[in-house]
Amino acid sequence: EADIYQTPRYLVIGTGKKITLECSQTMGHDKMYWYQQDPGMELHLIHYSYGVNSTEKGDLSSESTVSRIRTEHFPLTLESARPSHTSQYLCASSEFDTRRYTEAFFGQGTRLTVV
Amino acid sequence: RKEVEQDPGPFNVPEGATVAFNCTYSNSASQSFFWYRQDCRKEPKLLMSVYSSGNEDGRFTAQLNRASQYISLLIRDSKLSDSATYLCVVGPYNQGGKLIFGQGTELSVKP
Repeated sequence: EADIYQTPRYLVIGTGKKITLECSQTMGHDKMYWYQQDPGMELHLIHYSYGVNSTEKGDLSSESTVSRIRTEHFPLTLESARPSHTSQYLCASSEFDTRRYTEAFFGQGTRLTVV
Repeated sequence: RKEVEQDPGPFNVPEGATVAFNCTYSNSASQSFFWYRQDCRKEPKLLMSVYSSGNEDGRFTAQLNRASQYISLLIRDSKLSDSATYLCVVGPYNQGGKLIFGQGTELSVKP
């Protein structure tokens, strides 16, 4: 069973509000990822982190920001939500061990609707 | 060219059919390979890791061809419950990299 948690599961919020999506894992993984996925579409990497104090932008440009102050915690923040941010956001973590990546574990996702 | 590319779907097959998915990757130094399954509106979950020698888990068989830089997933005797999107995932050789997900191939198994 994966030990990676996202909150909230569902969020409906008004335009212009600041929101933070939480992601925590208890596996001690160094690598963490945020993906954005619209219904029926592919996963798009928006942010990733190699470890504490390391964050990188992903392949898809995003107005969100992330931080990695603790190994287990990788929150994503939108300063001013817009309807175009409506999507599902998935957090994942993995590890690099002896020249191989371990599988990525995913949280259950946050389904964000901006009205 | 995308780093990881999968067969475009959807695949619509009858129950009991055998279906094969292919995935190609561009980085020849890649070392980690996986197949994931994603059900509608759910998070992706690991189906199986792919090893150099190939591996089998029940009705599912995964193969790796390093020379041609592709991996495959074979599903035998497909069930209605196999309907999902199948994602190919590749990891690089170095710690500074990241896992790369393919765009996914949708499978629909019909009665």
